[in-house]
This record gives sequence, C-alpha cells and structure tokens, in this order.
Amino acid sequence: YVLTQPPSVSVAPGKTATIPCGGNNIGTKSVHWYQQRPGQAPVLVIYDDNDRPSGIPERFSGSNSGNTATLTISRVEAGDEADYFCQVWVSGAQIVFGPGTEVTVL
Amino acid sequence: QVQLVQSGAEVRQPGASVKISCKASGYLFTSYYLHWVRQAPGQGFEWMGLINPSGGDTFYSQRSQGRVTMTRDTSTSTVYMVLRNLRSEDTAVYYCARVPETGTPVRYFDSWGQGTLVTVSS
Repeated sequence: YVLTQPPSVSVAPGKTATIPCGGNNIGTKSVHWYQQRPGQAPVLVIYDDNDRPSGIPERFSGSNSGNTATLTISRVEAGDEADYFCQVWVSGAQIVFGPGTEVTVL
Repeated sequence: QVQLVQSGAEVRQPGASVKISCKASGYLFTSYYLHWVRQAPGQGFEWMGLINPSGGDTFYSQRSQGRVTMTRDTSTSTVYMVLRNLRSEDTAVYYCARVPETGTPVRYFDSWGQGTLVTVSS
C-alpha cells in the first residue's frame, strides 16, 4: 500500500496550509499525522483522521474521504514549519508512512 | 509522563550487527505494544516491526524479516532491537514508538524515543 504526499507546501503566516495524503481508498482507513522538526523525533498531531491529542492546538485539523486524507493547519505560525507525515496501518499489521511534506512559512 | 529513552549512536562496519535499546518509563510497560521505525538521512519513515512487551511475541516487516530480532526485558522495562548483516543502506536514525491503547498491537504512536543514529561504514 503506497501513500503519496507533495514534497513541499509554502504558506504565508496567518494563512491556511493544506497537506494532502493520497492512497487507494484511504477513506476506509484511519489516518494519523505527525509533525517532525529538524533533528527531533516525530510528534503526533492528528489521529483517527481528525482527532487531536491533548496539547495540540485547535488550528490543526484533519479530514479523510475517498482517495485523499488532508491535514489542515489554520492561522499558520512560524513555529509550524516542519515536515509532516501521514500514516496508516494495513492488513497484516503493516504500518505505512507517507513520504512527508515540508511546510515552509514564508 | 511517558518516556522512551534510547541508547546512544553506533558505528558499525558492513556485515556487523548492532543492538539498540529503548527503556520505557512513566507507564505500565507490559500493557502497550512497542514498535521500531527507522528514518534514513533526508528520507521518510520505514516501519520495521513490533513487540508485545507482555508476552514477547513479535511481528516483523517483510523487509526486516530474517535480519532483525526484537526482544524485551520486563525487569528493566526495556526493549531491544538487533539488526544483523548491516549494509550501508541501513544507515539511519532508529526510533522506538508506543501504541497508546492497551493491548492493541497496531494503531498510531503517541510517544517516540529520541532516536538512535546507526552509521554503517567501512
């Protein structure tokens, strides 16, 4: 099972960043999202398509339908600059990650 | 709070083996599955496998099968991963990560170790 993501997304401060994650019928799976800053371990920002762990700002939200899941970051701040990875699990207890999207705040 | 603390960086020659540790604290070790995930320089993540800290049962990715062994020590709340017959393409940061639901082998990861850099070079 293959997940696709654009290599990069650029967004101005205060605007909205939209990060897609494509996969065959991904809408039938639960999608999870991680933020990774340079040199750091990943941090979970969205789980089960659109739930936020405690401590993650409401500016982070997710959706999932058809062949595309989406992470949305509203009112983008400089501190949101990072790589974002989507993740699903497929049959046979296999975990698959997307290749990641680098978010640049202009 | 949940913490996963990994062992330090390692350098190995091709063909050698490496053993990485991940010590858990802040929760009941035997109740939550742990996974190993690696990230080659500038690349995405590759899932390697999982271990049930309670019974010690494991499940490895197809790509890892045959070269990796995951074990645990319940007395020290530590999981280990051994990777054998190292190749240059095994150079990566290796992470342990926890599934946050009791008894659930596969979901998402709420806590990650700090990562262990393994460099394979002659």
